Amino acid sequence: EAGVVQSPRYKIIEKKQPVAFWCNPISGHNTLYWYLQNLGQGPELLIRYENEEAVDDSQLPKDRFSAERLKGVDSTLKIQPAELGDSAVYLCASSPGQSPDTQYFGPGTRLTVL
Amino acid sequence: GENVEQHPSTLSVQEGDSAVIKCTYSDSASNYFPWYKQELGKRPQLIIDIRSNVGEKKDQRIAVTLNKTAKHFSLHITETQPEDSAVYFCAASKNFNKFYFGSGTKLNVKP
Repeated sequence: EAGVVQSPRYKIIEKKQPVAFWCNPISGHNTLYWYLQNLGQGPELLIRYENEEAVDDSQLPKDRFSAERLKGVDSTLKIQPAELGDSAVYLCASSPGQSPDTQYFGPGTRLTVL
Repeated sequence: GENVEQHPSTLSVQEGDSAVIKCTYSDSASNYFPWYKQELGKRPQLIIDIRSNVGEKKDQRIAVTLNKTAKHFSLHITETQPEDSAVYFCAASKNFNKFYFGSGTKLNVKP
């Protein structure tokens, strides 16, 4: 079974530029999560999808961050414009939506904003 | 919301010794507690989990204990090996919805 796929793995941009991250969850997984992980910290939830519906986006900074999950499969997370403080690893995770419902992480995208 | 605290932040043990990492949580309604291992530059991987209706769970050299009354849970690794060196994260969740992670413990197993 293929795991969660993310691209790109690394991205370096200058501040004020836009950036987008892509996630392909494990086949059949209805729930998709985007997390932000700062160096030396645990993941922090940005947004959670149940199929195509964003059921928890309370931690998403909506002034610059946006996300979508068209057709309830792949998802894209966008930042526009990026700020220096956005440098972090952006992790995508998915879960099957049934008990047991633990989540499986992708390899992450390491973003560096210069 | 939930608050998960994890200790210690770093832990160094000699190969063959045991390692214990502890987490506390604040929301008594949390009922699922996974542990993840994250090697440098890699994804977090689930190594063991426990639900609130169980007090202890063991998988070979790894065990997790849960004290619901005190709202804390611990990861125990016995007979540590150099390949156990990584960052370990605990997490707490209510009904598998939102997961709250601890800040991580960097485990170094010295050969």
